[in-house]
Amino acid sequence: AQRVTQPEKLLSVFKGAPVELKCNYSYSGSPELFWYVQYSRQRLQLLLRHISRESIKGFTADLNKGETSFHLKKPFAQEEDSAMYYCALSGLGNAGNMLTFGGGTRLMVKP
Amino acid sequence: ETGVTQSPTHLIKTRGQQVTLRCSSQSGHNTVSWYQQALGQGPQFIFQYYREEENGRGNFPPRFSGLQFPNYSSELNVNALELDDSALYLCASSLRTGSSGANVLTFGAGSRLTVL
Repeated sequence: AQRVTQPEKLLSVFKGAPVELKCNYSYSGSPELFWYVQYSRQRLQLLLRHISRESIKGFTADLNKGETSFHLKKPFAQEEDSAMYYCALSGLGNAGNMLTFGGGTRLMVKP
Repeated sequence: ETGVTQSPTHLIKTRGQQVTLRCSSQSGHNTVSWYQQALGQGPQFIFQYYREEENGRGNFPPRFSGLQFPNYSSELNVNALELDDSALYLCASSLRTGSSGANVLTFGAGSRLTVL
């Protein structure tokens, strides 16, 4: 079975503060990890995936297989980062495998 | 380039009825996935379609069924509706090439189903 846990339902920070949204997973094979984001009144959209090793909108995430984590980080939060963030997991290279989402973390960046 | 469109946006049904939700894929995409999102929770995988065949299914009963058409559009059918089926149903399309890409999803806005 595969599982994704996002321990914080809500994370509130001030503008300019560092942000870390936590994601832990459980999966027996080789995982592929994603972060999806939903801004207010917009659709759910892909933010980044671990195999791309990109920084998107200043966000980065590193897959730590030892700790089975894929935390999302940004050094300086902006008000426009306020959104719902979902961590998601599938099996690497298995196109038909399900994408399992965590319960989501709402990030609020205060001015 | 057109995005993913879903219809209807909202609908109300009663217990025991049947519902069909529709989805048009983003242009150029060949794979469609359906998710159920209950209030306050993350999306839950229902199934995925590729080449008009079911290509992966989550923990949903057989009364949840689907179709993918040659133009890559898709339908989700739910029979014998139950109160717990009330949720936002999300369709997402993707471009599968070989064994990768299927989970790089472009989501629609969703169909909100209320079962009374």
